[in-house]
Amino acid sequence: EAEVAQSPRYKITEKSQAVAFWCDPISGHATLYWYRQILGQGPELLVQFQDESVVDDSQLPKDRFSAERLKGVDSTLKIQPAELGDSAMYLCASSLQGQGHYGYTFGSGTRLTVV
Amino acid sequence: DAKTTQPPSMDCAEGRAANLPCNHSTISGNEYVYWYRQIHSQGPQYIIHGLKNNETNEMASLIITEDRKSSTLILPHATLRDTAVYYCIVRRTGANSKLTFGKGITLSVRP
Repeated sequence: EAEVAQSPRYKITEKSQAVAFWCDPISGHATLYWYRQILGQGPELLVQFQDESVVDDSQLPKDRFSAERLKGVDSTLKIQPAELGDSAMYLCASSLQGQGHYGYTFGSGTRLTVV
Repeated sequence: DAKTTQPPSMDCAEGRAANLPCNHSTISGNEYVYWYRQIHSQGPQYIIHGLKNNETNEMASLIITEDRKSSTLILPHATLRDTAVYYCIVRRTGANSKLTFGKGITLSVRP
């Protein structure tokens, strides 16, 4: 069964440092999502891509977060500088054209700890 | 998208049916009810969805009340592996419709 690949699985970084996460969606999935999940809460959407274009980044803290999907395939989420409050699980998901439930497949996430 | 209300937690015995309730009293006619679950340290996993008819697949059954203001996810024979957080989500159809997660309900299956 096809999977969404994410790396690294775990990341520990010092505050004020830069950190980056990588996501490789299921082949052929045009829509890619980045979610953030704080411990004890449900995932929160940060950014949605349709191919290489950003469709929704209204919840992305743009002063420190950036996301790109240059060739419309894999994607990188960056935080610079990291803050203690950024400690969370960062989840990537992909979907067929943003429609329907079947295409919403999540990766296993990157757990970020900022110290 | 309409909001959902779920109790924070419940438990059930292994082998018994787990009935997980969800309230969505402000649901609109074009909104579907989705259920996802998240096992510890993994990403959410799709379980089932429905509009107004009851639905069943290999994982679970979804019972939606006639007025569509509430629903119940049924795991017919819960196993220890079903211990997870279950999210009930109301979502419109359409290309830009998103999955918006609440806190979900934590199901603990006891031996």
